[in-house]
Amino acid sequence: KQEVTQIPAALSVPEGENLVLNCSFTDSAIYNLQWFRQDPGKGLTSLLLIQSSQREQTSGRLNASLDKSSGRSTLYIAASQPGDSATYLCAVPGSSNTGKLIFGQGTTLQVKP
Amino acid sequence: SQTIHQWPATLVQPVGSPLSLECTVEGTSNPNLYWYRQAAGRGLQLLFYSVGIGQISSEVPQNLSASRPQDRQFILSSKKLLLSDSGFYLCAWKMVGTVNTGELFFGEGSRLTVL
Repeated sequence: KQEVTQIPAALSVPEGENLVLNCSFTDSAIYNLQWFRQDPGKGLTSLLLIQSSQREQTSGRLNASLDKSSGRSTLYIAASQPGDSATYLCAVPGSSNTGKLIFGQGTTLQVKP
Repeated sequence: SQTIHQWPATLVQPVGSPLSLECTVEGTSNPNLYWYRQAAGRGLQLLFYSVGIGQISSEVPQNLSASRPQDRQFILSSKKLLLSDSGFYLCAWKMVGTVNTGELFFGEGSRLTVL
């Protein structure tokens, strides 16, 4: 059974720092991994989708890497800003052919001005 | 471009009352549609998914049901709400044919409080 873990659960950093959020999964037979952002009381916004054949994806100040063999992904945020404060979730497809995603519990990030 | 809309955004209902949450996707045809629930401290749980009109699959037994009366419309319902139905309900979609490989897009969510 696929399980997804995110560490740390919460993170507080000063503005301008580069930071890394971690995601690990137990079953390496995944098609892809997706990173989301969730602001309080809002829906999830897709940030990056990495297919299993890719090692990394970049979007602006965000860079996500994927190491299937070790069951790990990282989301790197460069030059963090207060507007980056949110909860970040990673997710991988479940084993059934439904498109179901298995989510981590998320990392809540606070970037202080 | 594709967009997804959910309504209502917030709902407060008494125990035993009915429920109807609606979700509409625009700009795409025959999407795969999903209802997730996000309860405090329990993460995101898939409730229902649909690959086409009238085709609904349930992931977990519960007090809720789903319907897909039109290609891009997905409805979450209950005949009698329970306290345990409180939560944040999220509709999501994937492009047709990408059930395992595609990107999942979420709506804005509907916050349900059952009193």
